[in-house]
Amino acid sequence: QVQLVESGGGLVKPGGSLRLSCAASGFTFSGYYMSWLRQAPGEGLEWVSYISSGSSYTDYADSVKGRFTISRDNAKNSLYLQMDSLRVEDATVYYCATYNWNYKYFDYWGQGTLVTVSS
Amino acid sequence: QTVVTQEPSFSVSPGGTVTLTCGLSSDSVSTSYYPSWYQQTPGQAPRTLIYSTNTRSSGVPDRFSGSILGNKAALTITGAQADDESDYYCVLYMGSGISVFGGGTKLTVL
Repeated sequence: QVQLVESGGGLVKPGGSLRLSCAASGFTFSGYYMSWLRQAPGEGLEWVSYISSGSSYTDYADSVKGRFTISRDNAKNSLYLQMDSLRVEDATVYYCATYNWNYKYFDYWGQGTLVTVSS
Repeated sequence: QTVVTQEPSFSVSPGGTVTLTCGLSSDSVSTSYYPSWYQQTPGQAPRTLIYSTNTRSSGVPDRFSGSILGNKAALTITGAQADDESDYYCVLYMGSGISVFGGGTKLTVL
């Protein structure tokens, strides 16, 4: 059974940093592209970033480019999102999800972790 | 900037049929955009319904179907049930690994 469990969310001041983690189990993690997505309370979903199965390829939404870094450790079945220079508008629930590269969709989702950015 | 458009809200009667659409501000939606659809209830993670225009994700009932209607992607729910009351999001693939979400449609079943 596929399981994705995010952690690392919390309260941070504007300009601060936070590192999110996503622990994967129940599937061959190293064979999947992965993504981070986010959703502000009461708002819609936004794609944030993706990483290829072997970490060769990454990309980011314009809203986070240059501030966020996605990475993964296949030996630990883990996905990460390093978030620097955080802004108030980055305060959302962050989801990790598997990304099916062949059919361009997010198939399995975690339950999310909440990031709050406030002084 | 590419904008993916969805109806903000829709209502359907129990047992009825509803079609939600997903458009592009600057182009017609085709299968090349790999439309996918997700269902989300408050406080829950999204659930994948449809991918690659019309393929149902594992475990999704066949009353959910996807298609291209005119210049938009469409999600049709046939025989709506009370627990279909959710937010529905479409996603279009823009190339180079970039996906863009629509703003979501809040579906009410009443």
